Amino acid sequence: QVQLMESGGGVVQPGGSLRLSCATSGFTFSNYGMHWVRQAPGKGLEWVAFLQYDGSNKFPDSVKGRFAISRDNSKNTVYLQMNSLRTEDTAMYYCAKEGAQYSHGYEAFDVWGQGTMVTVSS
Amino acid sequence: DIQMTQSPSTLSASVGDRVTITCRASQSISTWLAWYQQKPGKAPKLLIYKASTLQSGVPSRFSGSGSRTEFTLTISSLQPDDFATYYCQQYNGYPQTFGQGTKVEIK
Repeated sequence: QVQLMESGGGVVQPGGSLRLSCATSGFTFSNYGMHWVRQAPGKGLEWVAFLQYDGSNKFPDSVKGRFAISRDNSKNTVYLQMNSLRTEDTAMYYCAKEGAQYSHGYEAFDVWGQGTMVTVSS
Repeated sequence: DIQMTQSPSTLSASVGDRVTITCRASQSISTWLAWYQQKPGKAPKLLIYKASTLQSGVPSRFSGSGSRTEFTLTISSLQPDDFATYYCQQYNGYPQTFGQGTKVEIK
């Protein structure tokens, strides 16, 4: 079955960096776009990054220029590099898979990982 | 950015009740809308996509309707497993945005 598993979360000081990983299995990873979504404690969902199957990407203004997304198709893994972290980046970070192959980012998210917690604090 | 507004924010209901949650978009999103269910400490789960298409494996008591700016999620007969928070999401444009959530509580 399709599985996504995030790792790499932890506690980091403001201004620091962290790289999250999302290891996947059960589907042809290279054919799918992948997203990262975060959820601050007790709050709602916020989309933070998209990586299309062909490598193009999108970010919201809140993280643009600070976050980067990449993929290693040989490892079936997507990464989120987070730089210049702020206290407001504290959240559970989920990776999620697009619901259709070769999509250009206009699909619902049909499978989610269990998340990895990022805490930005001095 | 497209704003998504859900109502109500909290809903108290009993097992067997018919429940309706509304999601409004600040501009037309055609039918590019999804609904997710989230339970405490768990990841969201896709229920409905393209406004009204039931995701595989989701019970048929869940249904979605609407287009352009007005959407609804209906649970025809609330079951104990349905007490959770529900989110709508628009994927018509970037940045993709979610509603603030509707918590369905036990009455």
